[in-house]
Amino acid sequence: NAGVTQTPKFRILKIGQSMTLQCTQDMNHNYMYWYRQDPGMGLKLIYYSVGAGITDKGEVPNGYNVSRSTTEDFPLRLELAAPSQTSVYFCASSPAGQGHGYTFGSGTRLTVV
Amino acid sequence: GEDVEQSLFLSVREGDSSVINCTYTDSSSTYLYWYKQEPGAGLQLLTYIFSNMDMKQDQRLTVLLNKKDKHLSLRIADTQTGDSAIYFCAENSGGYNKLIFGAGTRLAVHP
Repeated sequence: NAGVTQTPKFRILKIGQSMTLQCTQDMNHNYMYWYRQDPGMGLKLIYYSVGAGITDKGEVPNGYNVSRSTTEDFPLRLELAAPSQTSVYFCASSPAGQGHGYTFGSGTRLTVV
Repeated sequence: GEDVEQSLFLSVREGDSSVINCTYTDSSSTYLYWYKQEPGAGLQLLTYIFSNMDMKQDQRLTVLLNKKDKHLSLRIADTQTGDSAIYFCAENSGGYNKLIFGAGTRLAVHP
């Protein structure tokens, strides 16, 4: 039972490069989320999805894009990396409805230089 | 916008009780959560409380909710070195189970 799997675990990007952070879950959860974690700032919601084909912006979506073609996968795309995107990125999933805790992936530490 | 605030650091002696406090702003939050993050890992759900409850106990963990003051606390009894971690308070806000997290409280347990 893998839960939520994120790849890669670490990545260094140069300014202006692009990359995709992968996230997949095997729990058949409808809801999936991308958060970024900056020191002393808690987690900020980037994008979320309530099902295949449905995505919406969170609190800090600028510079990112997502897609949800299947229930299992929710990749996060950075098109033109900037130093402000240096952060730890977490993917999470939950069953539909309120009152369900998230299952988090182990995170991707991204540095943009 | 909605916000969740926590103190950033707490140091306790092994065997003592730890109390981590949190305030939130969304009075319509129906669920409030505590998550634990160990070094290099994702967040792990510890416990949660429904907004119509004042208290919830789960083994060594006690959650207290004061809805009038929008104050949430997590008490860890008999704190052990394995409890050293960052603890995040979160409220659900805006539907679709979206959570707003506090900045996290780093708990250090010393002998």
